[in-house]
Amino acid sequence: AQSVTQLDSHVSVSEGTPVLLRCNYSSSYSPSLFWYVQHPNKGLQLLLKYTSAATLVKGINGFEAEFKKSETSFHLTKPSAHMSDAAEYFCVVRGGKKGYNKLIFGAGTRLAVHP
Amino acid sequence: KAGVTQTPRYLIKTRGQQVTLSCSPISGHRSVSWYQQTPGQGLQFLFEYFSETQRNKGNFPGRFSGRQFSNSRSEMNVSTLELGDSALYLCASSPGLAGLVTDTQYFGPGTRLTVL
Repeated sequence: AQSVTQLDSHVSVSEGTPVLLRCNYSSSYSPSLFWYVQHPNKGLQLLLKYTSAATLVKGINGFEAEFKKSETSFHLTKPSAHMSDAAEYFCVVRGGKKGYNKLIFGAGTRLAVHP
Repeated sequence: KAGVTQTPRYLIKTRGQQVTLSCSPISGHRSVSWYQQTPGQGLQFLFEYFSETQRNKGNFPGRFSGRQFSNSRSEMNVSTLELGDSALYLCASSPGLAGLVTDTQYFGPGTRLTVL
């Protein structure tokens, strides 16, 4: 079975400092992993995805994530936080029947960015 | 391309009533999935439809049902509403190519359902 654990429910950073949002996954086969972001009262926007190509994945708005199989991790990073990055971030693994669409979401990490 | 659209955006119902939510996927996408988001349970998968057939189902009671039309538009129905059904219901569409790991889901803005 597939699952994801987001290690921090809240992260607070100052504008211009690095962002690290941590995610560990569990999967019985080679996983597809995603990071989505949700701004208040908005739907979910795809930030980036890992699908067994390059282990370092670059996404939108300067975010990137590194897939580490040995650590079963898929942490999300950004070198310099911006005020507009304040939102909730979800680490997601594709689950269910292999290849079919069933996303399993982590509990989310709320990112606060202070001036 | 237009994104995923959901109607209505907000809905208020009372216990015992039933409700129908609608989702129009991105043009060309054949898979539509539904998710429920609540503060307590987070985001949970309801079901997925592909070519008018339910292809995957989450752990929700039978009061939750859905269907997909030949144009890929999908509806979700909840009967005999309970207070705990209050949630943001999100629809996601994708090309739906089973087995293709790059198949990516794109989400609509959601329908906020409040049950009084």
